[in-house]
Amino acid sequence: DVKVTQSSRYLVKRTGEKVFLECVQDMDHENMFWYRQDPGLGLRLIYFSYDVKMKEKGDIPEGYSVSREKKERFSLILESASTNQTSMYLCASTPSGRNEQFFGPGTRLTVL
Amino acid sequence: SQKIEQNSEALNIQEGKTATLTCNYTNYSPAYLQWYRQDPGRGPVFLLLIRENEKEKRKERLKVTFDTTLKQSLFHITASQPADSATYLCAPSPRAGNNRKLIWGLGTSLAVNP
Repeated sequence: DVKVTQSSRYLVKRTGEKVFLECVQDMDHENMFWYRQDPGLGLRLIYFSYDVKMKEKGDIPEGYSVSREKKERFSLILESASTNQTSMYLCASTPSGRNEQFFGPGTRLTVL
Repeated sequence: SQKIEQNSEALNIQEGKTATLTCNYTNYSPAYLQWYRQDPGRGPVFLLLIRENEKEKRKERLKVTFDTTLKQSLFHITASQPADSATYLCAPSPRAGNNRKLIWGLGTSLAVNP
């Protein structure tokens, strides 16, 4: 079974802090995604990566950056956390040539 | 702009009945459409994918239809069970550009009562 893990299930940070969310998948998938999910807004794509060191902006990249130095790991960085970044963050991966996405358990981030 | 609509109101049905969830899309023609299940506080789990040239797809008690004329997909759960209670998300793919960038519906909450 594909396993996608995320570094934390719950995280509380202060406004202005730099926040790292990490995602690791164990199935050699080429594509990895970061989403945030908010009530009434659904899943929104922040960034995705289709290869090591490659990234592409999603629909809401402002305030975020990403890093993919190794194929299995995709990190989401909040350079200076703000209260409007309080959300559920979900990582997903997809192998090349396939379309279904495999999601991690999510990180619920609260920025105070 | 591309838009996805799912039943906004929660669906409550009796155990053993068939649940039918609707996904309507406008302003584009997806190459394929996926359905996911999401439990509270968890990531979505992939259920089924149907391509534009397929009318219907089945997996155990699940059935998905795809009507490109009506711009609609229906998701059916037959012989529903309380364990089927969850939110179900529809995600059509855009045809142009990177078709791995799915467009997600807000989901429909299903409650199956014993």
